Amino acid sequence: DTEVTQTPKHLVMGMTNKKSLKCEQHMGHRAMYWYKQKAKKPPELMFVYSYEKLSINESVPSRFSPECPNSSLLNLHLHALQPEDSALYLCASSQGFRAIGEQYFGPGTRLTVT
Amino acid sequence: GENVEQHPSTLSVQEGDSAVIKCTYSDSASNYFPWYKQELGKRPQLIIDIRSNVGEKKDQRIAVTLNKTAKHFSLHITETQPEDSAVYFCAAVSGGYQKVTFGTGTKLQVIP
Repeated sequence: DTEVTQTPKHLVMGMTNKKSLKCEQHMGHRAMYWYKQKAKKPPELMFVYSYEKLSINESVPSRFSPECPNSSLLNLHLHALQPEDSALYLCASSQGFRAIGEQYFGPGTRLTVT
Repeated sequence: GENVEQHPSTLSVQEGDSAVIKCTYSDSASNYFPWYKQELGKRPQLIIDIRSNVGEKKDQRIAVTLNKTAKHFSLHITETQPEDSAVYFCAAVSGGYQKVTFGTGTKLQVIP
């Protein structure tokens, strides 16, 4: 199984809502990533988890809260978002620390903040 | 931090012609250089990659070259087909945690 899955596919939320994005992989990968992609722009790295520990936080606002409950799951908790946070949120996974190789991307969650 | 520049931003070619996309990076510690193809509304998908100890790699119609001294790498697509139309991103990867920095993207249009 070489697939990364993400749910939901689409999400519309108000600025006062709390919601979560979910990502799952069963490839035995030990590094997982969250990216944000605005239209016609490249993916921007938000967070990296390595062996279930947060390794990189690219100065992301605290209204985005990542969580890695186990080696297969990655969540992104959303609270008090702004309209400019509307974007495609991509999850990815790779083998792990110092393992040079492909990052596998999920299909993304299209988030709209109203 | 790493900075990756990519050119051109748009590229139109006739079917059957070749396409070349160029990238430069700034961090000499970067050691892995993947290229991703992203079709509209879909996820980025790896099409080819190269490691820092290799100068060139080819996979059928696609090739990548790397000049570590100049910090340049390029994607070459030969015999282009309409299904090659997409946005292509180069990237540079560094560090034990595999931090990926993407280029700004090239929108390739192959005209039948």
